[in-house]
Amino acid sequence: AQRVTQPEKLLSVFKGAPVELKCNYSYSGSPELFWYVQYSRQRLQLLLRHISRESIKGFTADLNKGETSFHLKKPFAQEEDSAMYYCALKKAGNMLTFGGGTRLMVKP
Amino acid sequence: DAGITQSPRYKITETGRQVTLMCHQTWSHSYMFWYRQDLGHGLRLIYYSAAADITDKGEVPDGYVVSRSKTENFPLTLESATRSQTSVYFCASSDRTEDNQPQHFGDGTRLSIL
Repeated sequence: AQRVTQPEKLLSVFKGAPVELKCNYSYSGSPELFWYVQYSRQRLQLLLRHISRESIKGFTADLNKGETSFHLKKPFAQEEDSAMYYCALKKAGNMLTFGGGTRLMVKP
Repeated sequence: DAGITQSPRYKITETGRQVTLMCHQTWSHSYMFWYRQDLGHGLRLIYYSAAADITDKGEVPDGYVVSRSKTENFPLTLESATRSQTSVYFCASSDRTEDNQPQHFGDGTRLSIL
């Protein structure tokens, strides 16, 4: 069965510190993974997808099939990065399985 | 992403009542989805639709009914609301399954059942 696990419900860092939001998955096929972000009082929006190998707002995520992980990283956190972050795994029919989410708090 | 709208934004109702949440998208996306967002569970898929008149159950469909008579609308109905259905509900849509098309989300409906 497909499953996405985000082990940290809350991650608190100081501005300028590195941040890593963990995501582990279980999936029998070839995974397609995404990170979605929800800022306060805003709708959920796509942050990045693994297939694009892109960097958005300074965030990157590398798919590690050996460790079945797709951790989200940023070298220097900013206060505006404070948000709820969801890792998601795409299934057939374009359905997504979401992790439980991690709330990132960046303190000044 | 103003192309997908949900209504109402907030709703309070009583157990046993029927309530319908509306979702409308202007992109003519094939796929539409309903999720509920609960603390500790993230987003869980309730129902989805691949096209007009095609719907299928997601992870947590019990107690919900959907329909898709038109491509742009995907209403979600709680036939007899229960307190466990108090949640934030998100509608999403996406284009064809190829090319890793992302899902676009609405603003959500916060539903409280007393």
